[in-house]
Amino acid sequence: GDSVTQMEGPVTLSEEAFLTINCTYTATGYPSLFWYVQYPGEGLQLLLKATKADDKGSNKGFEATYRKETTSFHLEKGSVQVSDSAVYFCALHYNTDKLIFGTGTRLQVFP
Amino acid sequence: DGGITQSPKYLFRKEGQNVTLSCEQNLNHDAMYWYRQDPGQGLRLIYYSQIVNDFQKGDIAEGYSVSREKKESFPLTVTSAQKNPTAFYLCASSSRQGPAEAFFGQGTRLTVV
Repeated sequence: GDSVTQMEGPVTLSEEAFLTINCTYTATGYPSLFWYVQYPGEGLQLLLKATKADDKGSNKGFEATYRKETTSFHLEKGSVQVSDSAVYFCALHYNTDKLIFGTGTRLQVFP
Repeated sequence: DGGITQSPKYLFRKEGQNVTLSCEQNLNHDAMYWYRQDPGQGLRLIYYSQIVNDFQKGDIAEGYSVSREKKESFPLTVTSAQKNPTAFYLCASSSRQGPAEAFFGQGTRLTVV
């Protein structure tokens, strides 16, 4: 069945470091891919999305490219801030089927 | 403003009692979902509904029940049959038109005392 695999956390970085959080997926068709962010005690918020192969989603300095050949959607940011500390979830949405989430990766950024 | 509202934010329940968590959306979305999140864990799907008066079990439906009598509302009942109900519960909704992202509520933290 469809699934999403994320790198385990926590990811610990100093402020202004480069961030990569890996995400790969398994799908029978052509899903849309998403990154969500969850701040402590809150629900999830959409961070960015890509709906087809080679699309690049971007928002707030974060980027991810939909790579069909490697079935990946890695999240990157060139310079992280303390305020980026949160849990990041990769997800896929295949047509009208249920949403499928990865297990989440906690990011901790220190000054 | 459109959005999705969960209530209450915090809920305490005695063992053996049923409790209902509210989820309301005014986004005109057909699809609604309930997820459970345990500390340090990802999201696990409890139930989902693609249309009014219809819903499907997710991965961990045992001990939970739902109804979808109105498009806007998708309440979740945690029954006494749920052995370990203490968790953070998240409700979400999405459009069924095309590849749509999910909108989440702020969550309900349920604690069994």
